[in-house]
Amino acid sequence: NAGVTQTPKFQVLKTGQSMTLQCAQDMNHNSMYWYRQDPGMGLRLIYYSASEGTTDKGEVPNGYNVSRLNKREFSLRLESAAPSQTSVYFCASSYGTSEAEKLFFGSGTQLSVL
Amino acid sequence: AQTVTQSQPEMSVQEAETVTLSCTYDTSESDYYLFWYKQPPSRQMILVIRQEAYKQQNATENRFSVNFQKAAKSFSLKISDSQLGDAAMYFCAYGRYGGATNKLIFGTGTLLAVQP
Repeated sequence: NAGVTQTPKFQVLKTGQSMTLQCAQDMNHNSMYWYRQDPGMGLRLIYYSASEGTTDKGEVPNGYNVSRLNKREFSLRLESAAPSQTSVYFCASSYGTSEAEKLFFGSGTQLSVL
Repeated sequence: AQTVTQSQPEMSVQEAETVTLSCTYDTSESDYYLFWYKQPPSRQMILVIRQEAYKQQNATENRFSVNFQKAAKSFSLKISDSQLGDAAMYFCAYGRYGGATNKLIFGTGTLLAVQP
């Protein structure tokens, strides 16, 4: 059972380039999330999808777009990458939307924007 | 707005000893959830333990236990009989009860080193 799978694991971009981070879960979870992790700042929520067909902004959505392609997949797109978007990105999923639900995380994508 | 504070950026413990990681939070809510997540060098985020605010009893999971002080808004993690595999970054997180979605607020983390 793979759980939450993120691709790629590492990526280097030049300022202004675009890219899409892919995330897929095989646990039949309804909710999916994108977080970014920066040194000294913990994890911050970028976007989330409470269920298939819905997406909402989190704490730090500027510069990002998301697509909930189907129940399994939730992608994060950087249209014009900036150095401030250098970070480690985590996708996560949960069965429901209650705060009591356990979040399952992917292994992260290390993104560097030069 | 809710905040989570971890005031110990780094901690160190000898193998087989006990260590306590601190976490404080600020909220005006009466019902909520608190979590400790572990992030080893592999970067994988792993749930260690969860506490419901309406429960007075402190949560325990094997060698991991919490000291939940609701009035003081404190939620510390105690690791007993520390093992080399416990070396990791530990994040405290807050989840609002009854929210529209599972949007956790994380602290900045405590890096735990385990000395053999």
